[in-house]
Amino acid sequence: DTGVSQDPRHKITKRGQNVTFRCDPISEHNRLYWYRQTLGQGPEFLTYFQNEAQLEKSRLLSDRFSAERPKGSFSTLEIQRTEQGDSAMYLCASSLVAVGNTEAFFGQGTRLTVV
Amino acid sequence: ILNVEQSPQSLHVQEGDSTNFTCSFPSSNFYALHWYRWETAKSPEALFVMTLNGDEKKKGRISATLNTKEGYSYLYIKGSQPEDSATYLCAFSFRSNDYKLSFGAGTTVTVRA
Repeated sequence: DTGVSQDPRHKITKRGQNVTFRCDPISEHNRLYWYRQTLGQGPEFLTYFQNEAQLEKSRLLSDRFSAERPKGSFSTLEIQRTEQGDSAMYLCASSLVAVGNTEAFFGQGTRLTVV
Repeated sequence: ILNVEQSPQSLHVQEGDSTNFTCSFPSSNFYALHWYRWETAKSPEALFVMTLNGDEKKKGRISATLNTKEGYSYLYIKGSQPEDSATYLCAFSFRSNDYKLSFGAGTTVTVRA
C-alpha cells in the first residue's frame, strides 16, 4: 500500500498521560500536514512541514502539542499531559507541492479518547 | 479566520433520487477548491480539485461546479446509491496562505435503500 498510513488507529489514554502518534506519508511527497477533527466540525489545521522544516503551528495549538518530521520522512505528533478536550480524530495528510498542485492525500486517522 | 460554510449539515436521500449541496468560501485570493468524500473508518478520499471559475468536474454519478466570483461550489449526486452515504467535505486554498487547505464542517449524506 503506497498511501498515507497512521499509527495507531485508536488510542485510549488517561488524562495527564502523554501520547504519540505516527504518520508515514506517501514517499515522494515533500509536504506533510496534521489536522484535528471533532464531532460536527471539519478538519482543523494544526501544523505542517515542508520536508523536515516545520513551517507553521496553529495559534490554537497549546504548548502541550509538538510535532517532528526528522529527515523529512515520517512525522510524529506528541501530546503531553492529555486533557479530555484533546479527544478527537487526528488526521495526517501529505502532498507534493508543485506549481498548480495542492491536492492532499489523507491517512485514516488516529482516534484519541482521553478518559 | 477563513470561513468555509457547507449546507445542509446533513441530508437523507432515497435510493435513486438525485441531490446536491453547497460549499461557500471567501472569493478573494482564491486558488483551488477541493471536494473530499469521507466514509466511516476510511481515509478522506479526494473527489475533485477545481481552480477555474466555471469549472465543472464529473466522476461517475458525482459532479461539481465552481463559481469563484461569488464564492460557491455545488456537488451533485445523480441517482443516489447506498454506497454514496458519506460525509462530503469541501476545502479551499489560497496563495497567501501557502496553499494550506481550510475545511468546511461537511455535509453528511445518508442514502436509504
